[in-house]
Amino acid sequence: SQTIHQWPATLVQPVGSPLSLECTVEGTSNPNLYWYRQAAGRGLQLLFYSVGIGQISSEVPQNLSASRPQDRQFILSSKKLLLSDSGFYLCAQGQGSYEQYFGPGTRLTVT
Amino acid sequence: QKEVEQNSGPLSVPEGAIASLNCTYSDRGSQSFFWYRQYSGKSPELIMSIYSNGDKEDGRFTAQLNKASQYVSLLIRDSQPSDSATYLCAVYKDSGYALNFGKGTSLLVTP
Repeated sequence: SQTIHQWPATLVQPVGSPLSLECTVEGTSNPNLYWYRQAAGRGLQLLFYSVGIGQISSEVPQNLSASRPQDRQFILSSKKLLLSDSGFYLCAQGQGSYEQYFGPGTRLTVT
Repeated sequence: QKEVEQNSGPLSVPEGAIASLNCTYSDRGSQSFFWYRQYSGKSPELIMSIYSNGDKEDGRFTAQLNKASQYVSLLIRDSQPSDSATYLCAVYKDSGYALNFGKGTSLLVTP
């Protein structure tokens, strides 16, 4: 079965600081990988998805970026955080048009 | 127009009753539909998927799909206090196999 790891679990960062969130998956090969954000009182927003190593698609223009250096590793980054970047960041993996499974998430607070 | 809509609730039902959660979607070509359960502070957990018109049952959960009406629902029989959570409806989005989520319905099962 698939296992998704995310770290850190919680993070408090000042405005203007950089960000790096990591997601790794186990138990599957060549998964589709996704980064979602869930802000307080809002729904899940798709940020990036990747169908393979080095292949990144962005859904929402913003100051965040994503990279996929290895098949089962997905990284979310920012050079300068904004207050509006606060939220619950979720990594998910899936295959085709079928189910997606979420990792435990990283709760980011930008102060 | 929102692509996936849910009543935010809260929906309150007594223990042992049937909880009925509803979702409508705007893309008539959607093919895959999912229900996730999200406890407060936790990541979403997939509980049901449905791909064809009709009912799909899994334990106390039944998903119902009506593509003509663009409507999908989740019934929870014999509701338990442990079912208290936010239920997210998700629809497959033809963009990198990503999902489009509703904002969720909060369910409260009272003892």
